[in-house]
Amino acid sequence: SAVISQKPSRDICQRGTSLTIQCQVDSQVTMMFWYRQQPGQSLTLIATANQGSEATYESGFVIDKFPISRPNLTFSTLTVSNMSPEDSSIYLCSVEGGGAYNEQFFGPGTRLTVL
Amino acid sequence: KQEVTQIPAALSVPEGENLVLNCSFTDSAIYNLQWFRQDPGKGLTSLLLIQSSQREQTSGRLNASLDKSSGRSTLYIAASQPGDSATYLCAARSYNTDKLIFGTGTRLQVFP
Repeated sequence: SAVISQKPSRDICQRGTSLTIQCQVDSQVTMMFWYRQQPGQSLTLIATANQGSEATYESGFVIDKFPISRPNLTFSTLTVSNMSPEDSSIYLCSVEGGGAYNEQFFGPGTRLTVL
Repeated sequence: KQEVTQIPAALSVPEGENLVLNCSFTDSAIYNLQWFRQDPGKGLTSLLLIQSSQREQTSGRLNASLDKSSGRSTLYIAASQPGDSATYLCAARSYNTDKLIFGTGTRLQVFP
């Protein structure tokens, strides 16, 4: 399994500002995933981040709003830009744990509230 | 396009009961299916993963089954405890998309 940490664990931000969320994994992984969970909803994939290449965004998510960095095989950041109250969600980082079965593991999440 | 649904949306049971959570998926060409637990405001904990070639997996009091032909998976929790109270999510990974698609979750409350 993989151990994943995220910073910050929670934040309250003002409308129009940006927040960068950090994700650190205890082992080298090829792909890292960023998800959003809006209040009372299930998880939605924002993008997949590969080291050394541009992130691949899902339909409905764009790089200008959610820029992602992947400087090495154990770290990634997600920025939520020009925030509005609709961005209030839990943001989760995830990785595949290796092995043959593609089991996916999640970080503790970042709880974001936008006022 | 894979769609995953879970029934019931919420469940409240007394301690000690055996219970079954249901997960349905539309695309039977799945690579694997994972069950997760999420405590309020927290991240996800992986409980069980079933490969497409498997029919069930067990871990302690948990047993997950997979029936690809009917597009269903069930999570069986034996002798439920108050500490089992959480939201349970299933997620299917299809060969077509190679992405985890999540269900809507079942919010479980086990009362003493």
